[in-house]
Amino acid sequence: SQTIHQWPATLVQPVGSPLSLECTVEGTSNPNLYWYRQAAGRGLQLLFYSVGIGQISSEVPQNLSASRPQDRQFILSSKKLLLSDSGFYLCAWGGQFNTEAFFGQGTRLTVV
Amino acid sequence: AQSVAQPEDQVNVAEGNPLTVKCTYSVSGNPYLFWYVQYPNRGLQFLLKYITGDNLVKGSYGFEAEFNKSQTSFHLKKPSALVSDSALYFCAVRGYGNNRLAFGKGNQVVVIP
Repeated sequence: SQTIHQWPATLVQPVGSPLSLECTVEGTSNPNLYWYRQAAGRGLQLLFYSVGIGQISSEVPQNLSASRPQDRQFILSSKKLLLSDSGFYLCAWGGQFNTEAFFGQGTRLTVV
Repeated sequence: AQSVAQPEDQVNVAEGNPLTVKCTYSVSGNPYLFWYVQYPNRGLQFLLKYITGDNLVKGSYGFEAEFNKSQTSFHLKKPSALVSDSALYFCAVRGYGNNRLAFGKGNQVVVIP
């Protein structure tokens, strides 16, 4: 069966420090991968999605970047964190258009 | 562009009463529609989906949803709510041929004992 791993679960980082959040998927190949951010416990904002290695689509201009160095690995990064980067970050994977997406457990990022 | 509207911020319902969470969508072509539930500080859990066929879709934990093409709606329902159903519910849509999965803002459901 397929599983998705996302870590760390919580992270407190000072303003201006770098960020690296990692997400890996097991039990499937060539998945679509997604990074979402959830602010204030509510709506989900799609940040990036990827349909293959090295293929990244950015949804909104921001202080973050994403990379997909391997088929089942998706990384969210920042060179210098801002206070506004605080939030709950969710990684997800999905198959073709008519399949649901499966979510990791999320990372609570607090920038101080 | 594809989008989802969940018009109510919070839905309060007494335990044992029917629960409805509303969702309307906008997408080009045929929609693929999904409902998810989220408990505090957790990822989203898939409940059910509409792809094609019967407009009434049954999912996990006794939930069901009805697809209405003319009203572009996909409301989530449960005949008898439980206190444990209190959570944040998200509707999502994806258009055919589109890799993006767009979510609504979410509805907080509070089931009152």
